[in-house]
Amino acid sequence: DAGVTQSPTHLIKTRGQHVTLRCSPISGHKSVSWYQQVLGQGPQFIFQYYEKEERGRGNFPDRFSARQFPNYSSELNVNALLLGDSALYLCASSLDRKREQYFGPGTRLTVT
Amino acid sequence: AQSVTQPDIHITVSEGASLELRCNYSYGATPYLFWYVQSPGQGLQLLLKYFSGDTLVQGIKGFEAEFKRSQSSFNLRKPSVHWSDAAEYFCAVGASYGGSQGNLIFGKGTKLSVKP
Repeated sequence: DAGVTQSPTHLIKTRGQHVTLRCSPISGHKSVSWYQQVLGQGPQFIFQYYEKEERGRGNFPDRFSARQFPNYSSELNVNALLLGDSALYLCASSLDRKREQYFGPGTRLTVT
Repeated sequence: AQSVTQPDIHITVSEGASLELRCNYSYGATPYLFWYVQSPGQGLQLLLKYFSGDTLVQGIKGFEAEFKRSQSSFNLRKPSVHWSDAAEYFCAVGASYGGSQGNLIFGKGTKLSVKP
């Protein structure tokens, strides 16, 4: 079975630009969560979506937004990029909100 | 608020030696607990999980962890380390109820080096 997939793998953007990251969950999983991992740190929770509704939001500015589609895939959008947004963005899926989360390989975002 | 502490930033062990990685958490009730492993530039792989029941849980790759409520700990162990175990290990806690279910809180990680 295919695991969680994310695209693109790497991305380079300029300050002030906008970026969209995509995630496809494991088949049958209805919950998708997004995490930001800055170099040398543990992942930090950004959003959780379950059944296409936002069910949790971490301590991130409104420049960060996300959505989940009817097929349970998800997009993370970041507006007005800052240098500090450079990080590995991880998507995780789970059967429901309480179950263990399985992570994708991540998207490496570099903001210059 | 939930929090996770991994006291050891970097540990080096010899191949074949035993391993214990420490994890302490803060949570008002019985939490959900997880250990993940991350190789450089990669995503996180789930090693094992604790939801309830037996406090000694077995995971993949020969790892096990023990939940000790009295010590608020969930330490990861392996009896004999292989060179391929070199990676970064993250402990995470999740809420067992309430609005923050699914919001995993991670420790800062412990980097494991294995010497021949």
